[in-house]
Amino acid sequence: QVQLQESGPGLVKPSETLSLTCTVSGGSIRNYYWSWIRQPPGKALEWIGYIYYNGGTNYNPALKSRLTLSVDMSKNQFSLKLGSVTAADTALYYCARVGYSDSTLFDIWGQGTKVAVSS
Amino acid sequence: DIQMTQSPSTLSASVGDRVTITCRASQSISRWLAWYQQKPGKAPKLLIYKASSLESGVPSRFSGSGSGTEFTLTISSLQPDDFATYYCQQYNSYVTFGPGTKVDIK
Repeated sequence: QVQLQESGPGLVKPSETLSLTCTVSGGSIRNYYWSWIRQPPGKALEWIGYIYYNGGTNYNPALKSRLTLSVDMSKNQFSLKLGSVTAADTALYYCARVGYSDSTLFDIWGQGTKVAVSS
Repeated sequence: DIQMTQSPSTLSASVGDRVTITCRASQSISRWLAWYQQKPGKAPKLLIYKASSLESGVPSRFSGSGSGTEFTLTISSLQPDDFATYYCQQYNSYVTFGPGTKVDIK
């Protein structure tokens, strides 16, 4: 069965770039969209964006100017880079699979990785 | 952008109770609405999509209804495993989640 695992630094300094990677195991990254979603402490979920296995992307307009998603099919991984971070970017970051070809629905999630933005 | 609201924010109920959660969109989203369940320390789990379609493996006590701007999630008979936070999500235009409804033990 498909499993997702996030990885990356747990602490990022303000104004720097937050970089995370999601490794897909138990299945291919091909033919699906893959997404990032975050959850600030005690708050609701926020969709960050998604990327297709061929590199096509769709970003949350609120984050678009700072965001880059990429995919590495050889490693079965996709990645997130969020620039110029502030304390507002402190959150639990999830990667997820968009399980339906015609709808942005998240059917498989990683366990999440905590990222704190602090000097 | 489309804003989502949920009510109530917290709901106290007992095992066996019928529970209803409401989700409202700031503009019409047709039936492009999903519901997720999240337990503490866990990732969300997809329960319902397209307003009323049950995700595979989800118990039939969960049901959804609505269209346009107003939607409901109903749990027909609350079970111990159902105490959790529930989020609605629109996917008509980009993706937005509601603020969540916590269902706790009365």
